[in-house]
Amino acid sequence: GQNIDQPTEMTATEGAIVQINCTYQTSGFNGLFWYQQHAGEAPTFLSYNVLDGLEEKGRFSSFLSRSKGYSYLLLKELQMKDSASYLCAVRDSNYQLIWGAGTKLIIKP
Amino acid sequence: DVKVTQSSRYLVKRTGEKVFLECVQDMDHENMFWYRQDPGLGLRLIYFSYDVKMKEKGDIPEGYSVSREKKERFSLILESASTNQTSMYLCASSPPPGGGYTFGSGTRLTVV
Repeated sequence: GQNIDQPTEMTATEGAIVQINCTYQTSGFNGLFWYQQHAGEAPTFLSYNVLDGLEEKGRFSSFLSRSKGYSYLLLKELQMKDSASYLCAVRDSNYQLIWGAGTKLIIKP
Repeated sequence: DVKVTQSSRYLVKRTGEKVFLECVQDMDHENMFWYRQDPGLGLRLIYFSYDVKMKEKGDIPEGYSVSREKKERFSLILESASTNQTSMYLCASSPPPGGGYTFGSGTRLTVV
């Protein structure tokens, strides 16, 4: 079956760096997405990786290793507004998005 | 910016009622999706559509149906609402052949 694993919850301190991991086993691979979702709101797009390596976008970076079925989202200079859930999703061979359950990130002052 | 609009933010319905959730997108996207989201379970795909009058079952279609009479509008129908359909419902759209999804703001449905 298809499976996306990510930690349920993480806690970090304001101003620090946090890495949220995602491992996947899917039928085919056509890209990996990271979305941010604040409580009670819809997910919003953060990043997309289809080739191995690091994609940087401001304070956020996303890394992909296709051979290991692994990705991470790196958040630097954490701010209180970064408290949210972070969803990892993989597009499979049918171009369907397979979603992880999300990682709830709690930022403490 | 793509905009996906869901008709209601909050709904309370009674068991057995027929419920309509409407979703409209304004960027001419072919692909539209309905998900439900429950704590600890992530996003689960109910139905999707790649074209007008076309629909495909997702992972959890039981108890639901959909309608796509126009390209911009994708409706989710709960034929006879039950308490286990209390959930957050999210509509999304994407361009082909599988671009990133843009989500509506969600409808939190409570069935009592």
